[in-house]
Parts: sequence; C-alpha cells; structure tokens
Amino acid sequence: DTAVSQTPKYLVTQMGNDKSIKCEQNLGHDTMYWYKQDSKKFLKIMFSYNNKELIINETVPNRFSPKSPDKAHLNLHINSLELGDSAVYFCASSQDGQDTQYFGPGTRLTVL
Amino acid sequence: GESVGLHLPTLSVQEGDNSIINCAYSNSASDYFIWYKQESGKGPQFIIDIRSNMDKRQGQRVTVLLNKTVKHLSLQIAATQPGDSAVYFCAENIGNYGQNFVFGPGTRLSVLP
Repeated sequence: DTAVSQTPKYLVTQMGNDKSIKCEQNLGHDTMYWYKQDSKKFLKIMFSYNNKELIINETVPNRFSPKSPDKAHLNLHINSLELGDSAVYFCASSQDGQDTQYFGPGTRLTVL
Repeated sequence: GESVGLHLPTLSVQEGDNSIINCAYSNSASDYFIWYKQESGKGPQFIIDIRSNMDKRQGQRVTVLLNKTVKHLSLQIAATQPGDSAVYFCAENIGNYGQNFVFGPGTRLSVLP
C-alpha cells in the first residue's frame, strides 16, 4: 500500500491557468507538508498542516493555497500559474513535527 | 539561514569503497537532523536520523556523525553499492514548534563499477 500518494504525477499547463495537486496519506499522521523542488534539486518547504490547522506558511505567493478536507489529505491549489512555478512538488507527512517525514512520489509541474 | 547551491555537488566512488557525504547546517539551536536519499524520479526517502544529544548513530551500512561545535553533519556509507547512487540531503529541524525542516542543497553520489 502506498503511504503517501500524489496525483497527478505530471502536469503540463499554460500560463494563467489554475490547477490543483492532490495528496493523501494512509499513515494516520497528524502533520502534512508541501515542498517545492527546483531544477537544481533544492527543496524548500511551502506549507505544513497539523490537525487541519496551518502551522507554517513560508513566503510563497498567495496564488498558492493549501486545503485540507481531513487529516489524511492536503491538496495544493495554484492560481494564475507562472513560468517560475515549474518545479517538482512533493507532499510529505509525519506523525508530529519532531518525527521523520515520509514523502510522496512528487508531481512534476510544467508551465508553458 | 538557507543555503542555495549554484550547482549540485557530486561525489564519485568506486563500488565497494566507503562514501562520506558532508553537510553544514545553519542553526545552532537545531535539535534533530535527518539524512534522506532521493533516487531519480522519486521522492526523498528517510535513511537515518540523529538528535542533538548524540554525536553518532549507526544503521545498516550507514553511520551519521554530528559535530555540534562546527555545525557539521556527515553520512558514511560502508561498502557502497550501485543502488546507493542517488542525491542525498541533510535536513535540520529549526522550527519553534518542531515542524520546520530546512534541507541542505544535496549531494549527488555516483557509484562507479
């Protein structure tokens, strides 16, 4: 069984569009995260959610909005996509903030 | 603060040799560190962790060393195998509520036959 899953795996879209990436974890973890990995492999945390409450909101554009319908899901909505949004986005989860994070397989977003 | 790598450092080792991957972390208050392995096309995968009250921890073929004095972390892989080829990241926990991990720039390990 997949612990952390993301859909879609690949997403190609035009500038200005709005898109969503879904994430689900079946580990029973309390905290979920979104990371952005750029072309140089640099990983940067974007958001984390703990029990449906936003804990961290890094300095990302407000075009990005995480939404958590329940503890097992944390979706990422992106409005008005820009070229610079092209990257691989990873979802992760952990039991709590002090625990190991388990990552999903990633979603490669390409904005044309 | 965060470090932004201009390029991904690469370490090439012969199969069977030992590998040492180094990482400098930024925050002297960080109390928890993790090493991750990322294979091509996959998400980072946990390898080993260490808390700041320790200076060494061993796993299967891997050892993590922590030097708090100079804020340095290393990952040692014994008898490196082709399957060890990947990008390796260190991550430090700097969050007030323990939920803010900062990743290092990564090191690409290439295992030569």
